[in-house]
Formats: sequence, C-alpha cells, structure tokens
Amino acid sequence: NAGVTQNPKFQVLKTGQSMTLQCAQDMNHNSMYWYRQDPGMGLRLIYYSASEGTTDKGEVPNGYNVSRLNKREFSLRLESAAPSQTSVYFCASSVGAGGPFEQYFGPGTRLTVT
Amino acid sequence: DQQVKQNSPSLSVQEGRISILNCDYTNSMFDYFLWYKKYPAEGPTFLISISSIKDKNEDGRFTVFLNKSAKHLSLHIVPSQPGDSAVYFCAASIQGAQKLVFGQGTRLTINP
Repeated sequence: NAGVTQNPKFQVLKTGQSMTLQCAQDMNHNSMYWYRQDPGMGLRLIYYSASEGTTDKGEVPNGYNVSRLNKREFSLRLESAAPSQTSVYFCASSVGAGGPFEQYFGPGTRLTVT
Repeated sequence: DQQVKQNSPSLSVQEGRISILNCDYTNSMFDYFLWYKKYPAEGPTFLISISSIKDKNEDGRFTVFLNKSAKHLSLHIVPSQPGDSAVYFCAASIQGAQKLVFGQGTRLTINP
C-alpha cells in the first residue's frame, strides 16, 4: 500500500517548455487535489477533482491544466512553464463526499523553471 | 485574502516543555479544522482535527482547542520532543466543500 505517489521527484525546465506531473493513489479515494507550496504562502490549491470525471479550479489555476485519467490517477500539466511556476507541487487524495475531510499527501515534486 | 492565518512563522521550545501553535480564521462558514505536520522533503501528514461542534480534541500528546467566538484554534504539544521539530500547517474546511484552506505554516524547533 504505497498511498499517494508522485513522479518525478525533481524537474528542471526552461521557460516555455511543457511537462506533466503524475500522481496516483491506491486508497480507492474519490477526491484528488493538486497544491503548490511556496515560502511564506502555505499550500495553495491549484485544481481538484471531487470525483472521477470532474475537475474544478482552485485558488491558483492559471497556467495549469489537469486530467483525471481514472479513479487512481490525476495529472497536472504545465503547457508553457514560467519562472513563477518554480515551486514544490503536492498531490493529495481524500475519501470524498460524505467521508472524513483528511487529505493524504504525496512526497512532492520540486520544480525549477529557469 | 488570507482566510486562514498563522501569524508566527517560527517557534522555538525547549524539549519537555509545552509547544503552543496558533491559527486564526476569518470565514465563519468554516466548520472543520485540521493540523498537518511536515518534515523537509516530505509531504504533509495529518495530525489531528476538530469539528466546530467541539471545543477540544485530544490525541496522545496533541490537543487542539477551538474558540469559535474568537475564530481561533491552537495546537498544544505536551511534552515536546525533538521529533516534533517540523513545519505545522492548520487548515479549515466547510462541510461538503471537499476543499481545505491552509495557513502559511509555523516552523517549530524543539531544542534539547
């Protein structure tokens, strides 16, 4: 039981390049989330998927797209990376509607855009 | 507009003493609150939570207190241990919203 896994762990991009961050969970959770963590800013929600087949914008969605591939997988795509997207990205999952609020986090992807 | 605020970026406490981490919120619709702990290079891990129908929840060395009238919650760690050194985030949610709003975090350092 791996919980929430994320790939890659580290990535360096040049401005304008694109990439997809992968996330998978094996807890049979319905809801999945993408956050970014920046110094002094806490964790800010980028996008979330309350259930398979649905996605919604969070607090800071600009410059990102997401895909809920199936119940297990939720990917985050940067189409044209910018230095302002340098951050640590965390994926999380939770049981979903009617269940406990606790979210379980992956280990993070540290992204640097030069 | 920061709806959840942790006004102390850092806190240093001697081993064995009590650590008190504070969190304030502005949205009166929040009705469920959580604390997470984060070590460097790891994801946050859930620590303890409290519903707005309670004013205290205890789990071992960790106790969370909620003061709804002041829109304030606190996490007490007694006794503090070196392994408690980490960044602590408080988070808040509205029932059914399926989203958490996080504070900025407080870095706790336990000194031997």
